[in-house]
Amino acid sequence: KAGVTQTPRYLIKTRGQQVTLSCSPISGHRSVSWYQQTPGQGLQFLFEYFSETQRNKGNFPGRFSGRQFSNSRSEMNVSTLELGDSALYLCASSPLGGGEKLFFGSGTQLSVL
Amino acid sequence: AQSVTQLGSHVSVSEGALVLLRCNYSSSVPPYLFWYVQYPNQGLQLLLKYTSAATLVKGINGFEAEFKKSETSFHLTKPSAHMSDAAEYFCAVHSGGYQKVTFGTGTKLQVIP
Repeated sequence: KAGVTQTPRYLIKTRGQQVTLSCSPISGHRSVSWYQQTPGQGLQFLFEYFSETQRNKGNFPGRFSGRQFSNSRSEMNVSTLELGDSALYLCASSPLGGGEKLFFGSGTQLSVL
Repeated sequence: AQSVTQLGSHVSVSEGALVLLRCNYSSSVPPYLFWYVQYPNQGLQLLLKYTSAATLVKGINGFEAEFKKSETSFHLTKPSAHMSDAAEYFCAVHSGGYQKVTFGTGTKLQVIP
């Protein structure tokens, strides 16, 4: 089985731009979660989607949004980028979410200049 | 509410020495507890998971963790460190249902030859 795939692997943007990151979960997994990882803050939960519905949301501003498609693939979007948005964005999938084991992708490294 | 505290952002051990990474959690209900490992430029992968079946949980690569309810701890240990254990380790807690998984801030393990 293919693992969790995140694209692109690296992104460089400038302040004020917007960006869309993509995540393809493991086949059959219906839950997709997104995390922001920075050296100072560790892993911060962004949101979780299950069967195209946002089930949980972290404490991030409205500039951060996401969606999930019927094939469970997920995208997250960050609008009006700020320097502080520079981070590794990790996607994780699991069959049903909850307290299950999470399978992580390798992440998208976003640099905002 | 749930939270995780990892004591020590950096830990150094000699090759062959005992590895001890500390994790304390807070949860209003009996939790699921996890340890994940992250190697450079990769996503996280599960080391082990506690689900109340046994207080001593054995994971991959010779790691184990003991759940101590009275101390609200879930420390990770390995009897003999190997160079390949150098990575960042994250403790995580989940309080059941469809809540998010909360991660600690991580501990970077350095193994000295």
